[in-house]
Amino acid sequence: DGGITQSPKYLFRKEGQNVTLSCEQNLNHDAMYWYRQDPGQGLRLIYYSQIVNDFQKGDIAEGYSVSREKKESFPLTVTSAQKNPTAFYLCASNTHQNTEAFFGQGTRLTVV
Amino acid sequence: AQSVTQLGSHVSVSEGALVLLRCNYSSSVPPYLFWYVQYPNQGLQLLLKYTTGATLVKGINGFEAEFKKSETSFHLTKPSAHMSDAAEYFCAVSTPNTDKLIFGTGTRLQVFP
Repeated sequence: DGGITQSPKYLFRKEGQNVTLSCEQNLNHDAMYWYRQDPGQGLRLIYYSQIVNDFQKGDIAEGYSVSREKKESFPLTVTSAQKNPTAFYLCASNTHQNTEAFFGQGTRLTVV
Repeated sequence: AQSVTQLGSHVSVSEGALVLLRCNYSSSVPPYLFWYVQYPNQGLQLLLKYTTGATLVKGINGFEAEFKKSETSFHLTKPSAHMSDAAEYFCAVSTPNTDKLIFGTGTRLQVFP
């Protein structure tokens, strides 16, 4: 079955540690996105990539980093510079910018 | 730049009642509009979308939305709410010239028996 897989579903980390969230898609989509979701704030765009080896900052990129070495994969690293990393993280992909995005099931990151 | 405003962060209805979730957009060019649904601790699922053509769009689970250019609105409706409709709903906008979807802040729908 085609889709987007995020792993792990739940992640706990100590403050000050970097952590990498995985996002893999087998939909042959060119574009991939990372969103952060906090209660009452909707989805905020962290980073996005329209093509392999290229990516752009979204609205809240500070404290995060990404790579796009393969079309299928778009991992997100939450660095120690991110002041409030506890949140629900969603990965998405689509074929063109004006088509609907398909979402993964999300990763809930808790920093203690 | 595009933006989306969802009026009402929480909406409560009785089972069998009409569901109306409001979405207004801002765009300098003809927009593409989407409604997504999210169940707890899950990703988002597309309910319906408007790109061009017929302004009344039908989606899954009995939902529909109407694009009204004069009102810059894309409200989501369902004639009769079901308990399983309880979820969070997001409106989103993009255009042919943009490279990302812009989401509203979401509306949580509660359905009471």
